[in-house]
Amino acid sequence: QKEVEQNSGPLSVPEGAIASLNCTYSDRGSQSFFWYRQYSGKSPELIMSIYSNGDKEDGRFTAQLNKASQYVSLLIRDSQPSDSATYLCAVGGSGNTPLVFGKGTRLSVIA
Amino acid sequence: EAGVAQSPRYKIIEKRQSVAFWCNPISGHATLYWYQQILGQGPKLLIQFQNNGVVDDSQLPKDRFSAERLKGVDSTLKIQPAKLEDSAVYLCASSAGLAEGPQYFGPGTRLLVL
Repeated sequence: QKEVEQNSGPLSVPEGAIASLNCTYSDRGSQSFFWYRQYSGKSPELIMSIYSNGDKEDGRFTAQLNKASQYVSLLIRDSQPSDSATYLCAVGGSGNTPLVFGKGTRLSVIA
Repeated sequence: EAGVAQSPRYKIIEKRQSVAFWCNPISGHATLYWYQQILGQGPKLLIQFQNNGVVDDSQLPKDRFSAERLKGVDSTLKIQPAKLEDSAVYLCASSAGLAEGPQYFGPGTRLLVL
């Protein structure tokens, strides 16, 4: 059973701070890694994808991947109240293996 | 580019009734997914189509759930008969067909079974 683990939170950070969200996965053969943001009552929205070890930056978002440790993280710099949402980590294998989603971490940015 | 379309957005039914959901993926996307998301949990895959063939339906409760994707574009998901525990959001997603590629979600259908 392939598993993706996230701390459910809530993670509270002050406005302007760096929010750090973490995710671990069980399948060593995993090839693709995604972060989705989900506002309450809305559907998941893709915000980052990463496929190789290291960091990938997009605006205020940085995804970090360490395949040896089976660990992927999302950093949000200069956090804003509008970043308050649930962040879902999703991990994909090879071939037609479907994505496995974590339960999500609820982030609250306090103004 | 239009996103994934779903209808209806909300549905309230009584247990033992039947219900159907419709999904139209992003144009050109070969792979279509149906997920069930219960409050406080991540999406759970119900079924994955590649064009009009089923790739994975291992978590689909086949005694009551069915899905089809005729002509490899639109898809319908049906529940018959519904149970109270089927109350959830049903999400449709599509991807370009690359196994490692990202999925894009529709707005979802919120189902309440009374």
